[in-house]
Amino acid sequence: DSGVTQTPKHLITATGQRVTLRCSPRSGDLSVYWYQQSLDQGLQFLIQYYNGEERAKGNILERFSAQQFPDLHSELNLSSLELGDSALYFCASTQLSGTPYNEQFFGPGTRLTVL
Amino acid sequence: DQQVKQNSPSLSVQEGRISILNCDYTNSMFDYFLWYKKYPAEGPTFLISISSIKDKNEDGRFTVFLNKSAKHLSLHIVPSQPGDSAVYFCAASAMRQGAQKLVFGQGTRLTINP
Repeated sequence: DSGVTQTPKHLITATGQRVTLRCSPRSGDLSVYWYQQSLDQGLQFLIQYYNGEERAKGNILERFSAQQFPDLHSELNLSSLELGDSALYFCASTQLSGTPYNEQFFGPGTRLTVL
Repeated sequence: DQQVKQNSPSLSVQEGRISILNCDYTNSMFDYFLWYKKYPAEGPTFLISISSIKDKNEDGRFTVFLNKSAKHLSLHIVPSQPGDSAVYFCAASAMRQGAQKLVFGQGTRLTINP
């Protein structure tokens, strides 16, 4: 158990809909990352938040947005869903303090299926 | 443009032997490299990392080697055990202004045969 929690575990929805994925980082971790893993693909970085502020952006679509709340949990909002958005969405957290390099700890993921 | 590549989608190794997983990268700005293991229906689990100031890092049965001139890293598992069967991802990052996004390879599925 990495200490990172994600809800829901599975989500099935229809094209055009909007969903929210939730992530709670490990206790004490200030930084949250979101990744997308499509079928047979590696993990693609979407976005990073550090202590409530956006820190880095990857290949995140304009239809997707995220935020990190004062209690450090984060939400990833996906709107106008398309079939191609079906994927595993992972959240990871790290302290980003002390040593300059910190491994990221991943949650179990949310499997999104768009029908 | 894939900056981190794992050219072997799969690898099969006999139990007790050495498993060697390879990874190549193209971005010379990368200065921190990690290996993750992933079981089905679970998130990636951190295994071992190495910064660019080192060429080797060891942790129990796992050793990571970094060849900066060749932009190549490898993960050695000795001896291989059945529980090591999983998908292994290498990842790289360039620490800039507190942003540490990881760039992942496509993964190598390792199967350890009894």
